[in-house]
Amino acid sequence: EAGVVQSPRYKIIEKKQPVAFWCNPISGHNTLYWYRQNLGQGPELLIRYENEEAVDDSQLPKDRFSAERLKGVDSTLKIQPAELGDSAVYLCASSLEWTSGIYEQYFGPGTRLTVT
Amino acid sequence: TQLLEQSPQFLSIQEGENLTVYCNSSSVFSSLQWYRQEPGEGPVLLVTVVTGGEVKKLKRLTFQFGDARKDSSLHITAAQTGDTGLYLCAGVGYNAGNMLTFGGGTRLMVKP
Repeated sequence: EAGVVQSPRYKIIEKKQPVAFWCNPISGHNTLYWYRQNLGQGPELLIRYENEEAVDDSQLPKDRFSAERLKGVDSTLKIQPAELGDSAVYLCASSLEWTSGIYEQYFGPGTRLTVT
Repeated sequence: TQLLEQSPQFLSIQEGENLTVYCNSSSVFSSLQWYRQEPGEGPVLLVTVVTGGEVKKLKRLTFQFGDARKDSSLHITAAQTGDTGLYLCAGVGYNAGNMLTFGGGTRLMVKP
């Protein structure tokens, strides 16, 4: 079974430029998450999708970040314009529908973004 | 906001030594997970503990969920160089759906 696929793996851009990340979740997983992980820290949730609906985007900086999950499968996360502080690893994860408080999230390898 | 604090933040040991890392919170969790993350990769789930006081073993790794469901520990016996990585705990709060709150991680280095 293929895991969560993310691209690109690495991206270096200058500040004020736009950037986009792509995620393909595990087949059949209707829940998709985008996390940001700063160096030496744990992941922090940015947005969570149930199918094509964003059910939690409270931590997404909406002035510059946007996300979409058309058709409830693939997802893209965009930053425009990027700032120096956006340098981090952006992780995508997916899971089956949550039931009974027991579930597993499967993470992709992440996209390492460097803003110069 | 439910916070998870992990300790120690960094740990460097020799191969063959034992170690314990801790994950603590003032909040109660319905379940708690441990992940290991290697450089350039995403976190990989090691275990989920659900019941207060639960102990789970995964080869040389022993995971315990506190009786009050606020804390957890991970004990590694006879560490190997392949155990090197970032260990993350993540809790699921009550009424949180499938939301995970991650701790800051313990970075373990096992030297040969």
